[in-house]
Amino acid sequence: QVQLVQSGAEVKKPGASVKVSCKASEYTFTDYFMHWVRQAPGQGLEWMGWINPNSGVTYYTQKFQGRVTMTRDTSISTAYMDLRGLTSDDTAVYYCAREKGGIFGVVGPWGQGTLVTVSS
Amino acid sequence: DIVMTQSPLSLPVTPGEPASIFCRSSQSLLHSNGYNHLNWYLQRPGQSPQLLIYLGSNRASGVPDRFSGSGSGTDFALKISRVEAEDVGVYYCMQGLQTPYTFGQGTKLGIK
Repeated sequence: QVQLVQSGAEVKKPGASVKVSCKASEYTFTDYFMHWVRQAPGQGLEWMGWINPNSGVTYYTQKFQGRVTMTRDTSISTAYMDLRGLTSDDTAVYYCAREKGGIFGVVGPWGQGTLVTVSS
Repeated sequence: DIVMTQSPLSLPVTPGEPASIFCRSSQSLLHSNGYNHLNWYLQRPGQSPQLLIYLGSNRASGVPDRFSGSGSGTDFALKISRVEAEDVGVYYCMQGLQTPYTFGQGTKLGIK
């Protein structure tokens, strides 16, 4: 069964950066795109972008361009999402989610989520 | 960006009764491959979202057959034939036709 295990909760000060990891297991890591989605407290879901773990090619939604970097380490089947210049608006649970095989635009399963709190 | 609009936003349901949630997109989600790139997710309280329905009408692995998806183009529906207590949570539609992928606002299903 596919597993995506994310790093633990983080507390950051405004202006800082955070790096969230997502370790994949029980499938071939390089065969499936990895997506990142966030959810502010009590709010809906916001898609941030994806990374192709095979090539390292990324796509970021315009809102996050210049502030987010998605990377991967294929040797340990882990994807990373680095967000810089944090503000209180970035307080959210960040999820990684694997693309379903065989068809684009279908995202699932999801990691357990990582709560990032931005507070002075 | 494609805007996804769900209705209703809140849905109280009696166990054993049916329930329907609707999702409308600001442009057609029908791809030239013949598929509608519309997915449905359930986020139970305190949990991560889980994929229920993909490409408009395909149930994901392990999803009970009381869940069904329908629709094409810009109008879609998720139907639960008989609601159970474990179905409580927030349901989201998501379009995967073009980036940026976008979600509906969510529909909170509760038990009466």
